Amino acid sequence: GAVVSQHPSWVICKSGTSVKIECRSLDFQATTMFWYRQFPKQSLMLMATSNEGSKATYEQGVEKDKFLINHASLTLSTLTVTSAHPEDSSFYICSAISGTSTDTQYFGPGTRLTVL
Amino acid sequence: QKEVEQNSGPLSVPEGAIASLNCTYSDRGSQSFFWYRQYSGKSPELIMSIYSNGDKEDGRFTAQLNKASQYVSLLIRDSQPSDSATYLCAVRLDTGRRALTFGSGTRLQVQP
Repeated sequence: GAVVSQHPSWVICKSGTSVKIECRSLDFQATTMFWYRQFPKQSLMLMATSNEGSKATYEQGVEKDKFLINHASLTLSTLTVTSAHPEDSSFYICSAISGTSTDTQYFGPGTRLTVL
Repeated sequence: QKEVEQNSGPLSVPEGAIASLNCTYSDRGSQSFFWYRQYSGKSPELIMSIYSNGDKEDGRFTAQLNKASQYVSLLIRDSQPSDSATYLCAVRLDTGRRALTFGSGTRLQVQP
């Protein structure tokens, strides 16, 4: 149980284009999902917390107009990187929590974004 | 001071030995603690969670928590080359938020 998927697993795009990444909880309902970014040889950096049906809460320094998050259902959250630039190239990972009584986060496999 | 601190390593141990990974955290009110393993190019996978002082064992893994010392550790017995990875300590800080704060990770190398 507690499987989280992400799509696509990797994407290459041109500078200035937008990229959408999907995060799905496959066998549970995710009340809360998180989006992380990880640069090479660095730890995970939380970008935003997403609760179903409400606006995402962004971490300090993360541009909410650039990284659009939509948590439209209990099994799906999307991250759209708008007007991507080479410095946005990174490994984007989502995680999800099942229910309200646990803190355990289950991670998706990640999406590697390369912006040319 | 970082909120969750880990030695970056690499920690090198021979196959069959015990690997000991350590983590300290700054928020005394923290209640939830996790160890994740991350292979290069992959996302983290949960190894263990621990909430109470003392030891918690799961197979070859033992998590140890000492809230008074604000210290959590992970022991890996009978280390295998396949255990070579980066181990991330994660803490739910006492901020009211559900997000976890991750340490920078310790890279473990198990030598065959």
